Parts: sequence; structure tokens; C-alpha cells
Amino acid sequence: GQQVMQIPQYQHVQEGEDFTTYCNSSTTLSNIQWYKQRPGGHPVFLIQLVKSGEVKKQKRLTFQFGEAKKNSSLHITATQTTDVGTYFCAGPGDNNDMRFGAGTRLTVKP
Amino acid sequence: DAEITQSPRHKITETGRQVTLACHQTWNHNNMFWYRQDLGHGLRLIHYSYGVQDTNKGEVSDGYSVSRSNTEDLPLTLESAASSQTSVYFCASRGQGAYGYTFGSGTRLTVV
Repeated sequence: GQQVMQIPQYQHVQEGEDFTTYCNSSTTLSNIQWYKQRPGGHPVFLIQLVKSGEVKKQKRLTFQFGEAKKNSSLHITATQTTDVGTYFCAGPGDNNDMRFGAGTRLTVKP
Repeated sequence: DAEITQSPRHKITETGRQVTLACHQTWNHNNMFWYRQDLGHGLRLIHYSYGVQDTNKGEVSDGYSVSRSNTEDLPLTLESAASSQTSVYFCASRGQGAYGYTFGSGTRLTVV
């Protein structure tokens, strides 16, 4: 079945630095979703990308979907302590269920 | 306000016991999912349902079962709990035509 691989597993940054997490699939994805999970919390849906080469922004967060629709990235500009958490990408499985990557845990040092 | 609730929030059980985790949503969503979360593995799909009387196996379904007798509930049963099933369990739902999943707050299950 479809799997999405996510790197890095951990990222520690100084507040104000940028952060990027990457998601890769061996197969073409019809769409990709991104979620954020705060420590001790539950995943919260951030965005869905559908089109080849699509770029979407949410304040300091920039989401990209690759031209071949096999990879995606989430970039955070000038991280803040409120950005702490684990970021997951997810792609559709064989039956339109979503399969999640292992996540990137972001810590931010004030 | 509509919500998705899981109960209990925490549970400790013994190996071999049957355990049922509850998931109840008031969004009137047809699509419901159960995931387990373990360090290094992210969220792995256990079972899912696209409507009443519909259930499907996910990628890690062995030792688990679900039933869907109404729209609101998708209970997850561990037939005979094993230590390898110690995990955090999340229920999620999604409306028809919607994009993202709405997750419950999770159940932390410890099997001793």
C-alpha cells in the first residue's frame, strides 16, 4: 500500500530560525494533507494540496506540492515557541483513507 | 457545538483481557477512523468505516475489531489485549466531501 516517508524525524531550532519538513511518496498522490500535533494533544488539520506545483501560505507557513505530485514540504519562516509540535503529512491510501508519515517533531529554543 | 469524544482518556488493563475504546461524534460524519500512535511510527490506521454497517481493515488491524451500528459511534475492541498494544489511540471522522480529519483527544492505553 501507499506510504509516505517524512524527514527529518526531529528538528531543534533557535527561535527565529526557519524550519522545513519534507514528505516523499514512491507513488503519485492525488492530494496531500498536513497536520500539526501539539505536545500532549491531538492532530489538527492544517491544509490540503491537490494541484501539481501548488503553493499555499498560512501566515508564516508555506506548503508546497511537487510537480510530480510525489513530494511535499512545509516551511515555517522565523519560528516561534508556539510552533512547537509534531508535523505530519498524509496521503490517500488504497481506499481513500489517509496514511500518515512518521512526523517531524519540532522543538524551539527561546 | 459538534464534537468527537473518546473515552476513557486513560486505561490500564491486563494482558488477555478484552477492552473496548469508545468514539462518539456529533458531526453526523459518515467516515470514521481509528489510528494508533507510537513513537517513530506516526499514526497507523487500524480500522475505518464509511457508513453504518460498513467496516474495513487498515494496515495494523490484527487483534482489533470495530462495529458500526449507527452514524455516531465506532467502538474499537481489543479482543485479547497484548503488551504490544500499549499505545495512544486516536479516533477521527471526516464529512462527505470534506478534506481533513477531525480527531478526538485520544485514549492512552497501557497493557500490563
